[in-house]
Amino acid sequence: DAGITQSPRHKVTETGTPVTLRCHQTENHRYMYWYRQDPGHGLRLIHYSYGVKDTDKGEVSDGYSVSRSKTEDFLLTLESATSSQTSVYFCAISDIQVRHLEAFFGQGTRLTVV
Amino acid sequence: AQSVTQPDIHITVSEGASLELRCNYSYGATPYLFWYVQSPGQGLQLLLKYFSGDTLVQGIKGFEAEFKRSQSSFNLRKPSVHWSDAAEYFCASRGNFNKFYFGSGTKLNVKP
Repeated sequence: DAGITQSPRHKVTETGTPVTLRCHQTENHRYMYWYRQDPGHGLRLIHYSYGVKDTDKGEVSDGYSVSRSKTEDFLLTLESATSSQTSVYFCAISDIQVRHLEAFFGQGTRLTVV
Repeated sequence: AQSVTQPDIHITVSEGASLELRCNYSYGATPYLFWYVQSPGQGLQLLLKYFSGDTLVQGIKGFEAEFKRSQSSFNLRKPSVHWSDAAEYFCASRGNFNKFYFGSGTKLNVKP
């Protein structure tokens, strides 16, 4: 299994507070992604990174920011959490070599905003 | 815009029956295509993948999928379903800028 660790695994936070989710990989993969999963929507891309300090927006990026200061870490920040951001968040990694073209997923973080 | 469509939200099959889950993609070039499975409370596990070559690909757990360019489809099949196959299945493609696009998922229920 690919070495991807998400932390925390569960979090309950209050509306209006900032929240940071962490994704850590030990595979040295170039690409890292943050997705959110909601019933009926599958997985939707929030942000992704194509290298250290190189990031770009996905389809649902409003209210989220990311940072990648090291190859192995990709942080997702909810600047001011809202109830609509209650979701399960998945980190994924990938690379450009043929044997690493698929996305490998972490176990997810369940976030509840009350 | 690139997209992946899974037309079936829920499917119920009897144990031992055959299974086909549908997936359609939109992408100009030949995409990289994947099927993932997710059990409740778990992450996504790769079942199989298609990059090029033979259009019938074999995966884990007895699953296979066939790429049909003329129909823009990549349907997942299994000849005999087991109760442990009950899960949610996602089709995905990798396209521009190495982004992954996912379908909305198909929940499989297996009747004893």
